Formats: sequence, structure tokens, C-alpha cells
Amino acid sequence: EVKLVESGGGLVQPGGSLRVSCAASGFTFSSHGLNWVRQAPGKGLEWVSYINDKGRDIYYTDSVKGRFTISRDNAKNSLYLQMNSLRVEDTAVYYCARDNNWASDFWGQGILVTV
Amino acid sequence: QSALTQPPSASGSPGQSVAISCTGTSSDVGGYNYVSWYQQHPGKAPKLMIYEVNKRPSGVPDRFSGSKSGNTASLTVSGLQAEDEADYYCSSFAVSNQWVFGGGTKLTVL
Repeated sequence: EVKLVESGGGLVQPGGSLRVSCAASGFTFSSHGLNWVRQAPGKGLEWVSYINDKGRDIYYTDSVKGRFTISRDNAKNSLYLQMNSLRVEDTAVYYCARDNNWASDFWGQGILVTV
Repeated sequence: QSALTQPPSASGSPGQSVAISCTGTSSDVGGYNYVSWYQQHPGKAPKLMIYEVNKRPSGVPDRFSGSKSGNTASLTVSGLQAEDEADYYCSSFAVSNQWVFGGGTKLTVL
């Protein structure tokens, strides 16, 4: 069974930093790209970032470029999102999701980040 | 990259069919066959319902179907059931390696 479990969320002051993590199991982690997608309270889904299977191809939505860094550790089956210079508008539930040709076929339960 | 345009709401009676549209541009929906649709119940994570315009993941009922014409994609739910009531989001790969979502459509089963 594919499982994605986010952790590391919480309350942070504007301008602060936070790192959220995603632990994966039930599939060959090193063979799949991964996405971070967020959802502000009461709002729709917003793609944040993508990293390919080897960690070499990385993309961000414009609003987080220069502030957020996506990374992965294939030895630990883990995905990370380092968030710096956080803004009030970054408040959201952050989901990690397994990529399948620009569709996310499995999602974590999400973790709340409040700025 | 702007969000894709979806109607905020849609509705239908049990057993009826309903279609939800998703309009983009030639830089996203119209330019690539990487349109996907997600169902989200309140307080839950999104669930993939359609990928690559019209493909269904294993376990998704064949009542759900997808299509695309030009810059507009559509999700059709046939034989509406009470459990289909949820928010639905379209998404598409976009130019410059971006991924864009629609604003979401709240589907009500009357």
C-alpha cells in the first residue's frame, strides 16, 4: 500500500522558516517524481514544487521561487520542503503527492503550516 | 501562470449526468495531453479521478470520464450518486514546466 505521511508543520512568525517532511512507503521511492501542493483555508489547490526521481529536475511556482527549496533523500524514502521568508499568504495545508506524468496519483493526508 | 477556469458549482439529481468544464489556454490545457481531475471530500486529501485527459486509475468507477477539445477539458459524471458530492479540481501541465490547477467546482447531488 502506497503511503505518504507529512510532518513538521506548525505555527511560525512571518519572515521565519520551517521544514516540512514527507515519509514514503509502499512503492519504489527512487523511481518517482514528487510534488508539493498546498491548499489555503477554504481555498483551492495550488501546486508549489516538483522534484524528479533523481532530484536533478526541480521546478517551483513563481510565488515561492527563491524562498522555498524542495529536496529528497532516496536512501531515507523522504521528501522535504524547506520554507524560508514565510509570509502570511503561505498559510495552508501542504500535501506531498507522488507524480505520474504530471498527475498526482497518491497523496498524503496533509500538514498545516500557519504563518 | 494563471489558474484554469472552472464553474464554482454544478449540480444534478441521482442517476443524472453532469459535466464540469475546465478552460485554459494553448499554454496549458490546449497544448498538452496532461490534464487530470481530482475529487476532494471535506477534510480529506484529493483523489485522482482522471489523468492524461481521459484515463481512469484503477478503482475509479467508469461513471467518471474525461475529454478535451481545444483549450477546454471536461469531466463528466454519469449516473450521479450521493457519494459523488464533493469538490472537483482540474489540473494541467503548463509551459515552462509548471503545473496549474483550476479554482474548483463544488458538485451537489440534489
